[in-house]
Amino acid sequence: GAVVSQHPSWVICKSGTSVKIECRSLDFQATTMFWYRQFPKQSLMLMATSNEGSKATYEQGVEKDKFLINHASLTLSTLTVTSAHPEDSSFYICSASLQGAWNEQFFGPGTRLTVL
Amino acid sequence: AQSVAQPEDQVNVAEGNPLTVKCTYSVSGNPYLFWYVQYPNRGLQFLLKYITGDNLVKGSYGFEAEFNKSQTSFHLKKPSALVSDSALYFCAVRDQAGTALIFGKGTTLSVSS
Repeated sequence: GAVVSQHPSWVICKSGTSVKIECRSLDFQATTMFWYRQFPKQSLMLMATSNEGSKATYEQGVEKDKFLINHASLTLSTLTVTSAHPEDSSFYICSASLQGAWNEQFFGPGTRLTVL
Repeated sequence: AQSVAQPEDQVNVAEGNPLTVKCTYSVSGNPYLFWYVQYPNRGLQFLLKYITGDNLVKGSYGFEAEFNKSQTSFHLKKPSALVSDSALYFCAVRDQAGTALIFGKGTTLSVSS
């Protein structure tokens, strides 16, 4: 089946630093990738939709200058949390859609970010 | 606007008993409905989906869900619960025009032995 990986799986950083999270589709080409954020015991909140080769579409309330998304290839999207603060600590999950099968999404294992 | 409601924060069942996790939705047009399961500190695992066709959908690990258009519901069911089914369950919806999934708040299923 389609596999999506994320790296790193867990990251701890100091306040003010930037952290990059990678999302890769391992065995398929993903024209669209999605980034979600999940707080403890809460649902997934869509942050942005990322299409290969174009700018990401951010959901209302998500700061595009703080959460930089790059989708440079059909197998890789990155989320960079810039100048991270403790309130950015969360579980970040990406998903990817198969090219030509837009109704199917495959989720990565998630990245836990802790900002001290 | 699309929305999903999971009215129960937690469902408790004894092992071997049937389980139901409720989900209702609101979407314009025909819905695409999904159930995912999440174990602690892990990503989401796909269980099943309804796109079209039979209202009763069978998925992974013995789970099934019934699409009810008149009640706008898509409840998740399993005839006999296992302790290993204990996890967080999410219902999600997308309309035909959309691409992103809209998730319910999640329901924690606890199966006791």
